[in-house]
Amino acid sequence: DTGVSQNPRHKITKRGQNVTFRCDPISEHNRLYWYRQTLGQGPEFLTYFQNEAQLEKSRLLSDRFSAERPKGSFSTLEIQRTEQGDSAMYLCASSLASRGHPEAFFGQGTRLTVV
Amino acid sequence: AQSVAQPEDQVNVAEGNPLTVKCTYSVSGNPYLFWYVQYPNRGLQFLLKYITGDNLVKGSYGFEAEFNKSQTSFHLKKPSALVSDSALYFCAVSPSNDYKLSFGAGTTVTVRA
Repeated sequence: DTGVSQNPRHKITKRGQNVTFRCDPISEHNRLYWYRQTLGQGPEFLTYFQNEAQLEKSRLLSDRFSAERPKGSFSTLEIQRTEQGDSAMYLCASSLASRGHPEAFFGQGTRLTVV
Repeated sequence: AQSVAQPEDQVNVAEGNPLTVKCTYSVSGNPYLFWYVQYPNRGLQFLLKYITGDNLVKGSYGFEAEFNKSQTSFHLKKPSALVSDSALYFCAVSPSNDYKLSFGAGTTVTVRA
């Protein structure tokens, strides 16, 4: 499968615990995005990278959230001290940074449940 | 800031009938517009996009969308719906100088046999 891969697919954690999600983008894509989707809503932008540089972060991304893309390949999203409000689907997407505004391709997401 | 409105939470059509899913947008400058579809337990799948050029854009699975600048709309259409088109559809917009997407809340399409 050459699409965007996200792991784990599901994560249940207790409030206050830390969690980390991984995203492997399509191999030649240099842009990588994280979105969050709650029930009944469309995805909301969290942050994006071009290569290893984190270029933008949404105000939704509180200090408890951190994202990295250390070698410009895979990315991790960590949530510290999880809260029940963090329960959502976390989506990763990737695209090429090139002219013509190429579309982003999404992974299947990681569903986080904080209990 | 950009935004998208999908005024219908649900659209129900009979198989073989035309399908329309509505989308209006607000963005500074020229818009880049996208439609994605989400099937249960599947990721968002790209259907089509409008960047520039012809206002009628053709995409995957027989879908098309018409860009209307004066009405700031980008409605998704399919001439003859299939039961397999039943899914959740999202419209998204980004300004021409940015790559992040702003999504609508989604429209659930149900096509009955």
